[in-house]
Amino acid sequence: IQMTQSPSLLSASVGDRVTLSCKAGQNINNYLAWYQQKLGEAPKLLIYNANSLQTGIPSRFSGSGSGTDFTLTISSLQPEDVATYFCQQYNSWTTFGSGTKLEIK
Amino acid sequence: QVQLKESGPGLVQPSQTLSLTCTVSGFSLTSYNVHWVRQPPGKGLEWMGRMRYNGDTSYNSALKSRLSISRDTSKNQVFLKMNSLQTDDTGTYYCTSATRGWFAYWGQGTLVTVSS
Repeated sequence: IQMTQSPSLLSASVGDRVTLSCKAGQNINNYLAWYQQKLGEAPKLLIYNANSLQTGIPSRFSGSGSGTDFTLTISSLQPEDVATYFCQQYNSWTTFGSGTKLEIK
Repeated sequence: QVQLKESGPGLVQPSQTLSLTCTVSGFSLTSYNVHWVRQPPGKGLEWMGRMRYNGDTSYNSALKSRLSISRDTSKNQVFLKMNSLQTDDTGTYYCTSATRGWFAYWGQGTLVTVSS
């Protein structure tokens, strides 16, 4: 299943509300996860089942959507949120999106 | 706590075989699935295959002819072997654990460079 993320690069200011998009090539129900990957580090799980916050992840991160359209929202962007964000579907085997690189303006 | 750690050679010659080991702690290989995911430099993530808790394996169809995953439960280790390596196999290789589809725990990754 093809996963398409947009935009590929996002520049925003500290304190902004940021929205990242992930679209599936077919219905994946809510079998979607979001990961944050900082430079030189392994990916970190943020959200699973489209909208469940992983333990220990700040509440400014939230996920929504079902079917084919999904969104990761950061309610108030912090400097430590600079990273690349990947979505992953696990409805049929597993595939990842190509990522959105988030930077501070 | 749950930990995974990859180990293996950093440099592999073209056409040779890559052998990596994932050593886990904090959980049993007979209870959780372990997957391999790789990432070319500056690019996205590619799922390679998995070792299920019951010993079954599954592979990415694009890699299936070259890839083998096995385990030694007594040593808490999962192994990856991939043959006929080419330069586009260069990247960071991760092992990660999953219970219901999402990858909650990841190793630090090991960089593999394919070059003569």
